[in-house]
Amino acid sequence: DVKVTQSSRYLVKRTGEKVFLECVQDMDHENMFWYRQDPGLGLRLIYFSYDVKMKEKGDIPEGYSVSREKKERFSLILESASTNQTSMYLCASSLSGVAGYTFGSGTRLTVV
Amino acid sequence: GENVEQHPSTLSVQEGDSAVIKCTYSDSASNYFPWYKQELGKGPQLIIDIRSNVGEKKDQRIAVTLNKTAKHFSLHITETQPEDSAVYFCASPKEGSYIPTFGRGTSLIVHP
Repeated sequence: DVKVTQSSRYLVKRTGEKVFLECVQDMDHENMFWYRQDPGLGLRLIYFSYDVKMKEKGDIPEGYSVSREKKERFSLILESASTNQTSMYLCASSLSGVAGYTFGSGTRLTVV
Repeated sequence: GENVEQHPSTLSVQEGDSAVIKCTYSDSASNYFPWYKQELGKGPQLIIDIRSNVGEKKDQRIAVTLNKTAKHFSLHITETQPEDSAVYFCASPKEGSYIPTFGRGTSLIVHP
């Protein structure tokens, strides 16, 4: 089975800190995604990447950046964390197309 | 872009009853419709999907139906069990893209 691993289950950070969320997949998938999940709002796409060093903005990229230096690793960066970025962050990967999304277990980030 | 609406937001049933969750989409060119189940503390997991060339697909107690004319698709769970309790998401690809837009989710509670 494809495994998508997010490095932290829970994080607490202070306002203004730079935060790194890491995601690693082990099945050589081309595409990787970062979503945030908030109650009543579902899953909203922040950024995605379809190849190493390539990135595309999703629906809510403001306040975030990403890095994909290796195929298996996709990092989400909060340059200066704010309280409104308190959320559940989900990483996903897929081989190609829309089918076969595999999600990680999520990182619950709290910004205080 | 694609707009996906999901109803109801919460659904409470007795064990053994059936549960139906419905999604509507706006892009008539959409051709792939997955459903994801998210259990507490986990990431969403694909449970069933359907492509536009079929009207129904079944997998044991789960089925998905698609009405392309009306632009809606539904998840049907029969003989519900407490372990079916979870949040369910539908999705449909964004127009001209392989990136899915997710519904806002349905919290299904199955009472023993």
